[in-house]
Amino acid sequence: QQQVKQSPQSLIVQKGGISIINCAYENTAFDYFPWYQQFPGKGPALLIAIRPDVSEKKEGRFTISFNKSAKQFSLHIMDSQPGDSATYFCAASRRLSNTGKLIFGQGTTLQVKP
Amino acid sequence: EADIYQTPRYLVIGTGKKITLECSQTMGHDKMYWYQQDPGMELHLIHYSYGVNSTEKGDLSSESTVSRIRTEHFPLTLESARPSHTSQYLCASSRAGGKETQYFGPGTRLLVL
Repeated sequence: QQQVKQSPQSLIVQKGGISIINCAYENTAFDYFPWYQQFPGKGPALLIAIRPDVSEKKEGRFTISFNKSAKQFSLHIMDSQPGDSATYFCAASRRLSNTGKLIFGQGTTLQVKP
Repeated sequence: EADIYQTPRYLVIGTGKKITLECSQTMGHDKMYWYQQDPGMELHLIHYSYGVNSTEKGDLSSESTVSRIRTEHFPLTLESARPSHTSQYLCASSRAGGKETQYFGPGTRLLVL
Protein backbone atom coordinates (compact mmCIF):
# COMPACT_ATOMS: atom_id res chain seq x y z
CA GLN A 1 0.00 0.00 0.00
CA GLN A 2 1.52 3.28 -1.15
CA GLN A 3 1.27 5.65 1.79
CA VAL A 4 3.08 8.56 0.16
CA LYS A 5 2.39 9.34 -3.49
CA GLN A 6 4.77 11.61 -5.35
CA SER A 7 4.40 13.33 -8.71
CA PRO A 8 5.60 13.92 -11.32
CA GLN A 9 7.95 11.02 -11.90
CA SER A 10 10.23 13.25 -13.98
CA LEU A 11 10.49 16.96 -14.58
CA ILE A 12 12.42 19.12 -17.00
CA VAL A 13 12.81 22.81 -16.21
CA GLN A 14 14.76 25.60 -17.83
CA LYS A 15 17.45 27.35 -15.83
CA GLY A 16 15.89 30.10 -13.76
CA GLY A 17 12.46 28.48 -13.75
CA ILE A 18 10.44 27.11 -10.85
CA SER A 19 10.43 23.37 -10.17
CA ILE A 20 7.40 22.01 -8.33
CA ILE A 21 7.12 18.48 -6.93
CA ASN A 22 3.99 17.29 -5.16
CA CYS A 23 3.34 14.65 -2.54
CA ALA A 24 0.17 13.33 -0.98
CA TYR A 25 -0.10 11.14 2.09
CA GLU A 26 -2.82 8.98 3.58
CA ASN A 27 -1.94 8.44 7.22
CA THR A 28 -3.08 11.35 9.41
CA ALA A 29 -0.66 10.17 12.08
CA PHE A 30 2.26 11.38 9.96
CA ASP A 31 3.72 14.49 11.53
CA TYR A 32 7.16 14.96 10.00
CA PHE A 33 7.71 15.55 6.30
CA PRO A 34 11.28 15.75 5.00
CA TRP A 35 12.54 16.09 1.46
CA TYR A 36 15.69 14.29 0.41
CA GLN A 37 17.92 15.06 -2.58
CA GLN A 38 19.90 12.29 -4.27
CA PHE A 39 22.64 12.77 -6.85
CA PRO A 40 23.75 9.85 -9.05
CA GLY A 41 26.07 7.51 -7.20
CA LYS A 42 25.31 9.11 -3.84
CA GLY A 43 22.97 8.36 -0.99
CA PRO A 44 20.02 10.70 -0.33
CA ALA A 45 20.70 13.79 1.78
CA LEU A 46 18.18 15.82 3.77
CA LEU A 47 17.24 18.99 1.92
CA ILE A 48 14.48 20.55 4.01
CA ALA A 49 11.74 19.32 6.36
CA ILE A 50 8.44 20.58 7.76
CA ARG A 51 6.06 19.76 10.61
CA PRO A 52 2.28 20.13 10.20
CA ASP A 53 1.99 23.08 12.58
CA VAL A 54 3.26 25.41 9.85
CA SER A 55 2.00 25.88 6.30
CA GLU A 56 5.27 26.89 4.71
CA LYS A 57 9.00 26.63 5.33
CA LYS A 58 11.65 28.33 3.24
CA GLU A 59 15.39 27.73 3.12
CA GLY A 60 17.14 29.69 0.41
CA ARG A 61 15.67 28.75 -2.96
CA PHE A 62 13.80 25.76 -1.52
CA THR A 63 10.30 26.05 -0.05
CA ILE A 64 7.94 23.43 1.33
CA SER A 65 4.23 24.22 1.21
CA PHE A 66 2.01 22.11 3.46
CA ASN A 67 -1.78 21.66 3.27
CA LYS A 68 -2.88 19.62 6.26
CA SER A 69 -6.57 19.42 5.31
CA ALA A 70 -5.73 18.11 1.84
CA LYS A 71 -2.93 15.89 3.19
CA GLN A 72 -0.56 17.28 0.60
CA PHE A 73 2.82 18.94 0.61
CA SER A 74 5.03 20.21 -2.14
CA LEU A 75 8.59 21.30 -2.81
CA HIS A 76 9.22 24.46 -4.79
CA ILE A 77 12.68 25.20 -6.17
CA MET A 78 12.96 28.83 -7.20
CA ASP A 79 15.48 30.00 -9.80
CA SER A 80 16.31 26.38 -10.65
CA GLN A 81 19.94 25.74 -11.56
CA PRO A 82 21.63 22.90 -13.49
CA GLY A 83 23.27 21.89 -10.21
CA ASP A 84 19.79 21.14 -8.84
CA SER A 85 19.47 18.26 -11.32
CA ALA A 86 18.95 15.24 -9.08
CA THR A 87 16.28 12.87 -7.82
CA TYR A 88 14.05 14.26 -5.08
CA PHE A 89 12.17 12.12 -2.56
CA CYS A 90 9.47 13.27 -0.21
CA ALA A 91 8.97 11.24 2.95
CA ALA A 92 6.81 11.06 6.04
CA SER A 93 7.05 9.61 9.50
CA ARG A 94 4.48 8.86 12.20
CA ARG A 95 3.67 10.73 15.38
CA LEU A 96 5.25 9.31 18.52
CA SER A 97 7.36 6.95 16.48
CA ASN A 98 10.53 6.03 18.30
CA THR A 99 11.87 4.20 15.30
CA GLY A 100 12.24 7.24 13.09
CA LYS A 101 11.01 5.08 10.21
CA LEU A 102 10.47 7.09 7.06
CA ILE A 103 7.97 6.24 4.32
CA PHE A 104 9.32 7.50 1.01
CA GLY A 105 7.56 8.65 -2.13
CA GLN A 106 8.49 7.20 -5.51
CA GLY A 107 10.95 9.97 -6.36
CA THR A 108 11.08 12.71 -9.00
CA THR A 109 14.00 13.03 -11.38
CA LEU A 110 14.61 16.71 -12.05
CA GLN A 111 16.62 17.93 -14.99
CA VAL A 112 17.41 21.63 -15.20
CA LYS A 113 18.47 22.66 -18.69
CA PRO A 114 21.03 25.45 -19.01
CA GLU B 1 29.11 15.54 4.79
CA ALA B 2 27.83 12.53 6.74
CA ASP B 3 30.38 10.10 8.17
CA ILE B 4 28.72 6.90 7.10
CA TYR B 5 30.52 4.41 4.90
CA GLN B 6 29.47 1.44 2.85
CA THR B 7 31.61 -1.24 1.24
CA PRO B 8 31.78 -2.52 -1.35
CA ARG B 9 30.33 0.17 -3.58
CA TYR B 10 29.71 -2.31 -6.39
CA LEU B 11 29.47 -6.10 -6.25
CA VAL B 12 28.89 -8.61 -9.02
CA ILE B 13 28.46 -12.13 -7.73
CA GLY B 14 27.13 -15.51 -8.81
CA THR B 15 23.95 -17.15 -7.60
CA GLY B 16 24.26 -19.07 -4.37
CA LYS B 17 27.16 -17.10 -2.94
CA LYS B 18 27.10 -15.68 0.58
CA ILE B 19 27.66 -11.93 0.73
CA THR B 20 28.02 -9.34 3.46
CA LEU B 21 27.48 -5.66 2.85
CA GLU B 22 29.33 -3.47 5.31
CA CYS B 23 28.05 -0.25 6.87
CA SER B 24 29.88 1.86 9.43
CA GLN B 25 29.21 5.28 10.95
CA THR B 26 31.43 7.45 13.12
CA MET B 27 28.74 9.77 14.45
CA GLY B 28 27.82 7.68 17.48
CA HIS B 29 24.24 7.31 16.25
CA ASP B 30 22.05 4.82 18.06
CA LYS B 31 19.72 4.11 15.16
CA MET B 32 20.73 2.50 11.91
CA TYR B 33 18.72 1.45 8.87
CA TRP B 34 19.02 -0.58 5.69
CA TYR B 35 16.98 0.42 2.66
CA GLN B 36 16.59 -1.32 -0.70
CA GLN B 37 16.24 0.91 -3.74
CA ASP B 38 15.57 -0.29 -7.28
CA PRO B 39 16.44 2.11 -10.16
CA GLY B 40 13.96 4.96 -10.39
CA MET B 41 11.99 3.69 -7.43
CA GLU B 42 11.43 4.66 -3.84
CA LEU B 43 13.46 3.47 -0.89
CA HIS B 44 12.03 0.56 1.06
CA LEU B 45 13.08 -0.09 4.65
CA ILE B 46 14.24 -3.68 5.09
CA HIS B 47 15.97 -3.60 8.52
CA TYR B 48 16.52 -1.19 11.37
CA SER B 49 18.23 -1.13 14.72
CA TYR B 50 17.67 0.93 17.87
CA GLY B 51 21.08 0.13 19.24
CA VAL B 52 23.49 -2.67 20.07
CA ASN B 53 21.85 -6.11 19.99
CA SER B 54 18.58 -4.61 18.73
CA THR B 55 17.39 -5.39 15.20
CA GLU B 56 13.95 -5.35 13.59
CA LYS B 57 12.49 -6.23 10.22
CA GLY B 58 11.40 -3.31 8.07
CA ASP B 59 8.33 -2.77 5.95
CA LEU B 60 9.65 -4.70 2.93
CA SER B 61 10.22 -8.40 3.42
CA SER B 62 13.82 -9.36 2.77
CA GLU B 63 15.77 -12.63 2.91
CA SER B 64 18.76 -10.75 4.25
CA THR B 65 19.79 -10.66 7.91
CA VAL B 66 21.55 -8.01 9.96
CA SER B 67 23.50 -7.79 13.20
CA ARG B 68 24.42 -4.94 15.54
CA ILE B 69 27.25 -6.00 17.80
CA ARG B 70 28.88 -2.57 17.87
CA THR B 71 27.20 0.84 17.77
CA GLU B 72 29.12 1.93 14.69
CA HIS B 73 28.72 -1.22 12.61
CA PHE B 74 25.57 -2.64 10.97
CA PRO B 75 26.38 -5.32 8.37
CA LEU B 76 23.80 -6.96 6.12
CA THR B 77 24.20 -10.58 5.04
CA LEU B 78 22.65 -12.66 2.28
CA GLU B 79 23.32 -16.35 2.89
CA SER B 80 22.60 -17.39 -0.70
CA ALA B 81 22.38 -14.63 -3.28
CA ARG B 82 19.82 -14.85 -6.07
CA PRO B 83 19.19 -12.66 -9.13
CA SER B 84 16.07 -11.29 -7.38
CA HIS B 85 18.43 -9.72 -4.82
CA THR B 86 19.90 -7.45 -7.49
CA SER B 87 19.33 -3.91 -6.27
CA GLN B 88 20.96 -0.97 -4.54
CA TYR B 89 21.28 -1.21 -0.77
CA LEU B 90 21.50 2.01 1.24
CA CYS B 91 22.54 2.24 4.86
CA ALA B 92 21.51 5.18 7.06
CA SER B 93 21.87 6.28 10.66
CA SER B 94 20.26 8.82 12.98
CA ARG B 95 20.31 9.95 16.58
CA ALA B 96 17.68 8.72 19.02
CA GLY B 97 14.28 10.34 18.67
CA GLY B 98 11.35 10.13 16.27
CA LYS B 99 12.20 12.90 13.85
CA GLU B 100 15.94 12.99 13.69
CA THR B 101 17.64 13.42 10.34
CA GLN B 102 18.73 10.20 8.69
CA TYR B 103 22.19 10.33 7.16
CA PHE B 104 22.76 7.99 4.24
CA GLY B 105 25.82 6.21 2.98
CA PRO B 106 26.66 6.11 -0.75
CA GLY B 107 25.06 2.71 -1.24
CA THR B 108 26.14 -0.69 -2.56
CA ARG B 109 25.01 -1.69 -6.04
CA LEU B 110 24.58 -5.47 -6.07
CA LEU B 111 24.26 -7.55 -9.23
CA VAL B 112 23.62 -11.26 -8.83
CA LEU B 113 24.16 -13.27 -11.99
